[in-house]
Amino acid sequence: AQSVAQPEDQVNVAEGNPLTVKCTYSVSGNPYLFWYVQYPNRGLQFLLKYITGDNLVKGSYGFEAEFNKSQTSFHLKKPSALVSDSALYFCAVRDGDSGAGSYQLTFGKGTKLSVIP
Amino acid sequence: DAGVIQSPRHEVTEMGQEVTLRCKPISGHDYLFWYRQTMMRGLELLIYFNNNVPIDDSGMPEDRFSAKMPNASFSTLKIQPSEPRDSAVYFCASRIDRAYEQYFGPGTRLTVT
Repeated sequence: AQSVAQPEDQVNVAEGNPLTVKCTYSVSGNPYLFWYVQYPNRGLQFLLKYITGDNLVKGSYGFEAEFNKSQTSFHLKKPSALVSDSALYFCAVRDGDSGAGSYQLTFGKGTKLSVIP
Repeated sequence: DAGVIQSPRHEVTEMGQEVTLRCKPISGHDYLFWYRQTMMRGLELLIYFNNNVPIDDSGMPEDRFSAKMPNASFSTLKIQPSEPRDSAVYFCASRIDRAYEQYFGPGTRLTVT
């Protein structure tokens, strides 16, 4: 079984400050990890992914995430937050060793990010 | 690219009525997923297709729900009869075989009164 935990329901950060949205995961095989963002009344939008390679992955809109295998974490980060970054953020995981025909992503509950002007 | 297209964007219906949600995946994508999002349960996978064939429907809540994919460019999710607890936002997503990320449509907000 695979699972994702986003321990914070809400994160508040001042504009211009660095932001971190936390995610931990559990899979039996190699993790494939994803971050998505959802703006109000919109679908989920893909931000970035980790499949293999460099532990620091860069994505859209200046976001990056760091894969930490020993801590089973994949935290989303941005050096300087913008008010327009305010949205709901979802972490997702898939077991990379699962066989063909099993391509389900398991999503976390989401973290609401509020960037305060 | 137009992205994943869903219709209608909003649907309000009365309990007991049939509801049909529609999805057009991104052209060339091999996989199509139907999700349901509620405040209480978050994002749940209902069913997914590979090359138009249903692969896993274990997330479909009950027999009132059915999904079809008659061709590579169209899928439907049907609820018959609908109940108030079916009120949610339903998302369709697609992905191409060689990639891993899914691309979501804008969703259909369903309200059953």
